[in-house]
Amino acid sequence: KQEVTQIPAALSVPEGENLVLNCSFTDSAIYNLQWFRQDPGKGLTSLLLIQSSQREQTSGRLNASLDKSSGRSTLYIAASQPGDSATYLCAAPFSGGYNKLIFGAGTRLAVHP
Amino acid sequence: GAVVSQHPSWVICKSGTSVKIECRSLDFQATTMFWYRQFPKQSLMLMATSNEGSKATYEQGVEKDKFLINHASLTLSTLTVTSAHPEDSSFYICSAVKPGQGAREQYFGPGTRLTVT
Repeated sequence: KQEVTQIPAALSVPEGENLVLNCSFTDSAIYNLQWFRQDPGKGLTSLLLIQSSQREQTSGRLNASLDKSSGRSTLYIAASQPGDSATYLCAAPFSGGYNKLIFGAGTRLAVHP
Repeated sequence: GAVVSQHPSWVICKSGTSVKIECRSLDFQATTMFWYRQFPKQSLMLMATSNEGSKATYEQGVEKDKFLINHASLTLSTLTVTSAHPEDSSFYICSAVKPGQGAREQYFGPGTRLTVT
C-alpha cells in the first residue's frame, strides 16, 4: 500500500535561503511523482511532475529530483522569497494505479523578510 | 495550460439538506475526474474517481449513497452531498486528467468550502 511522508512538517526561514523539502514513498513502482503548492484556503497549483523515467525536473527556482530505488523525492527551492510561503505537497500514485494520487501531509513553509 | 473550475467556491447549508458541487474542465475534455476532501490542517484524501459515462468508483470508507457523483459530460462532474451533517464540513477539491496514454498530470480546481450548520 502506497504511503507518502513529508519532512519537515513545517519550516520557517529568512528570505534568501536555499531550501530542501523531502518526500518519501513506500511503493517505488510509481509512474510519476508530483509536487504541488497550496496557499491557505485555496486549491492546488502543480509545480513539477517527474515521470518515472526521469531523475529531475526544473522550473525557475524550483528543482525536483526523484530516486525511485530509495523511495525519495526532494524539492529544492533556491533563493527563497516571502512569496514562496505556502504548503508544499507531494503526491504519488496509488499502488497499482497511475492516476489516483495519494498525498503527503505537506510541508508548511514560511519565508520571512 | 489546463484550467479546472469549481462552483460554488463556498457554500453554507443546514444539516439535513443536500448540496451540489460542480467541477468543470474549461479547455480540455476529461474522461476522468477525481474528488478529494481536505479537513483543516490535513492533506487531501481521495474520495472517488468520476468516469464519464459510467458509475463512479469510491475509495474505502466513502459512502456512495451519501456522496453522489455524476459525470454527465466530458467537461463536467458533479458531487452531491446528501443529507449533509456538520461532520461533512470540509474543503472539497476536484481534479481532471487530460486524456492520453500513461500517467498524466492532474489539474486541480480551486476547491469548494462546505460548511454545514
